[in-house]
Amino acid sequence: SQQGEEDPQALSIQEGENATMNCSYKTSINNLQWYRQNSGRGLVHLILIRSNEREKHSGRLRVTLDTSKKSSSLLITASRAADTASYFCATDGPFSSGSARQLTFGSGTQLTVLP
Amino acid sequence: DGGITQSPKYLFRKEGQNVTLSCEQNLNHDAMYWYRQDPGQGLRLIYYSQIVNDFQKGDIAEGYSVSREKKESFPLTVTSAQKNPTAFYLCASSIGGRYYEQYFGPGTRLTVT
Repeated sequence: SQQGEEDPQALSIQEGENATMNCSYKTSINNLQWYRQNSGRGLVHLILIRSNEREKHSGRLRVTLDTSKKSSSLLITASRAADTASYFCATDGPFSSGSARQLTFGSGTQLTVLP
Repeated sequence: DGGITQSPKYLFRKEGQNVTLSCEQNLNHDAMYWYRQDPGQGLRLIYYSQIVNDFQKGDIAEGYSVSREKKESFPLTVTSAQKNPTAFYLCASSIGGRYYEQYFGPGTRLTVT
């Protein structure tokens, strides 16, 4: 089964509202990353949070990590129609070694921002 | 421009035929990856490579093969042994190491009929 699972599976909000997506995982991690995917396109990296970090910001994005609950959340503030996309969390587990990191992706949250 | 290219964007094949998907990067990244994505699903790792002439199986390697003869190239062959090959295939690369993101190509949508 996949390491990360996002919640909700789909989210629809009005432009200007905040969007919060959650990710839960099962085993301990080195880091957790969030990616965005526009329909039919490749993924774009948004933010990486290390296992010893609790919160990280990047522009309108805020990510939190609670390793005791094995969960993370992605908050997009003041959403825009252009934020409409699927958002995935990906975890890099403790047994991943070497220069290639074996990320395990969740099934994603489909965010729709209505103008 | 630096980046990852995948070609073609759309690929159609008859059942029983092998097909090779191209992935090229000019980012000078050591690590490269192939993922499969099915509709409404996340990504599943097929193969990955840490350096030239080395590659490892991911979670769903059966029916697929790869090569890594050059640092910038990591082609994926979908063989006739793959039971359900129709999917969206994504190639990625990373600089390597513990705290680095993966950069993705635009993907190839393979349809096998």
